[in-house]
Amino acid sequence: SQQGEEDPQALSIQEGENATMNCSYKTSINNLQWYRQNSGRGLVHLILIRSNEREKHSGRLRVTLDTSKKSSSLLITASRAADTASYFCATDADSGGGADGLTFGKGTHLIIQP
Amino acid sequence: NAGVMQNPRHLVRRRGQEARLRCSPMKGHSHVYWYRQLPEEGLKFMVYLQKENIIDESGMPKERFSAEFPKEGPSILRIQQVVRGDSAAYFCASSPTGYYNEQFFGPGTRLTVL
Repeated sequence: SQQGEEDPQALSIQEGENATMNCSYKTSINNLQWYRQNSGRGLVHLILIRSNEREKHSGRLRVTLDTSKKSSSLLITASRAADTASYFCATDADSGGGADGLTFGKGTHLIIQP
Repeated sequence: NAGVMQNPRHLVRRRGQEARLRCSPMKGHSHVYWYRQLPEEGLKFMVYLQKENIIDESGMPKERFSAEFPKEGPSILRIQQVVRGDSAAYFCASSPTGYYNEQFFGPGTRLTVL
């Protein structure tokens, strides 16, 4: 599997339910970021979690990071129809300092049924 | 504070023509990244630039593709002699600093090669 691989590939839930998406990666990282992309649009930055953090919250979003398992999860609580989108995790590899390009997975396509 | 600007939003070229994609980073951002997204895929890193310097072009195809970020003006991604396989969405992102970077994405340029 490639760096920053999300699962499931697709998720369909009822409005009001919680949605959980997972991401696995292979190499050591500086940080991990989650992005949302609506169909045919650009990416919206949701949250960044650093390698020394374990959990982070932003509104209805909760992100966890387990560096020992090289995995992260994104939880969206009380989902809304407007949350329908593709969600990507992206990792910034720990290559000894300095910036690198992000490595993206293929994404989880989330559909919220009204 | 305007976000990352990309133009054109849509670009149609015939095989063999040149494509020029422009990216203006957010105000105060001096780091620019280019990514390519094929249909139903995640984003693939292409190149990372700072003003007048290419920092990392490890994701850039060796031929026909070039990028620049001059002292004045936008960053340019140039594709010479386009082929149908170049059809994709090209996204630009910028960040204020290189380290522990939180990248902000533009709306993308959708290139179609006929």
